[in-house]
Amino acid sequence: NAGVTQTPKFRVLKTGQSMTLLCAQDMNHEYMYWYRQDPGMGLRLIHYSVGEGTTAKGEVPDGYNVSRLKKQNFLLGLESAAPSQTSVYFCASSQTGLAATNEKLFFGSGTQLSVL
Amino acid sequence: SQQGEEDPQALSIQEGENATMNCSYKTSINNLQWYRQNSGRGLVHLILIRSNEREKHSGRLRVTLDTSKKSSSLLITASRAADTASYFCATDVFGNEKLTFGTGTRLTIIP
Repeated sequence: NAGVTQTPKFRVLKTGQSMTLLCAQDMNHEYMYWYRQDPGMGLRLIHYSVGEGTTAKGEVPDGYNVSRLKKQNFLLGLESAAPSQTSVYFCASSQTGLAATNEKLFFGSGTQLSVL
Repeated sequence: SQQGEEDPQALSIQEGENATMNCSYKTSINNLQWYRQNSGRGLVHLILIRSNEREKHSGRLRVTLDTSKKSSSLLITASRAADTASYFCATDVFGNEKLTFGTGTRLTIIP
């Protein structure tokens, strides 16, 4: 049972390039999330999805787009990368939403992205 | 703005000692959770405490919650080298699907 898998693990982009980060979960979870982690700032929510075909904005959505075409996959896209998007990106999933009691997140191992 | 702030930012203790880290938050919450992150890895859920609970235990972990002070503490007893990691508190509010993380405490256990 792999849990939450992120690809790629590392990537270097030039300013203006585009890329897609893939998140896959095999736990049949309804909810999926994309966070970014920057030094001294903890994790900040970029976008999330409450089910297949749905997406919603988080705390820092600008410059990113997401898609949830299949329940098990959640894609994060950068259309025109900027140095400010240099960060470590984490995908997470949960069986139900946080509004449900005792819900917790399962995290992938992260993607380290550098934009030059 | 960040909902949670951990204190201290960094903590070094000898193996076998107890480690205590604190978390403060700003608004009324539904649940508060603690996560551990080993270097270069994703976060792993440790324990969840509901807003109507005051204390919870799980193995060597003890979490307290004081909603009047908007604060929580995580105690790790009899620390081990494997406990070396960063620890984050995270909160959610009623009716909101966002889990908001604090800035973390970096814990180092000295063998």
